[in-house]
Amino acid sequence: TQLLEQSPQFLSIQEGENLTVYCNSSSVFSSLQWYRQEPGEGPVLLVTVVTGGEVKKLKRLTFQFGDARKDSSLHITAAQPGDTGLYLCAAISSGSARQLTFGSGTQLTVLP
Amino acid sequence: NAGVTQTPKFRILKIGQSMTLQCTQDMNHNYMYWYRQDPGMGLKLIYYSVGAGITDKGEVPNGYNVSRSTTEDFPLRLELAAPSQTSVYFCASSSANPYEQYFGPGTRLTVT
Repeated sequence: TQLLEQSPQFLSIQEGENLTVYCNSSSVFSSLQWYRQEPGEGPVLLVTVVTGGEVKKLKRLTFQFGDARKDSSLHITAAQPGDTGLYLCAAISSGSARQLTFGSGTQLTVLP
Repeated sequence: NAGVTQTPKFRILKIGQSMTLQCTQDMNHNYMYWYRQDPGMGLKLIYYSVGAGITDKGEVPNGYNVSRSTTEDFPLRLELAAPSQTSVYFCASSSANPYEQYFGPGTRLTVT
């Protein structure tokens, strides 16, 4: 089982600040996804990254996949209270079963 | 726009009782999954299915059973509830391509 470590575990910032959260593994990912989970709900997919060095942008969110495909980061510019939630990275297994292995998450709180 | 539905939303069980958590999806997805999420943690895979009639164990299957008689339904059975099974349970489904897991709203289970 691929172990994913996310950091920081908790992050509390003021509205308008920038932040970066990280997802790391000692193993190579075939591909990786980022999800956001709000209280009382299931996770919702934000992005899938597949190619080493890939950068994807989703409005104020920038996702980067490391060149060696062992790490990924999520950068939020000018955070807003609506960005508050649990951010989870998940590695997709390369087999036909298509399983996800989740990191433990980063709980982000953006204060108004 | 039902997506993935789960029932019940909340349940309190006594030690040794049994129950079935229901999960239904209306997207004609072949892949379905059951996860548990403990406080402050990511999701751990309990069981998964790649199609009707096919199920397999995930990372934490002990104490649980599943069946997949139809494409739409994927119930999770707890036979002898234990306090360690207190958690929030999420069901998810996915097509093969594009690979995105759609999650239900979760069932919060307490075993006392």
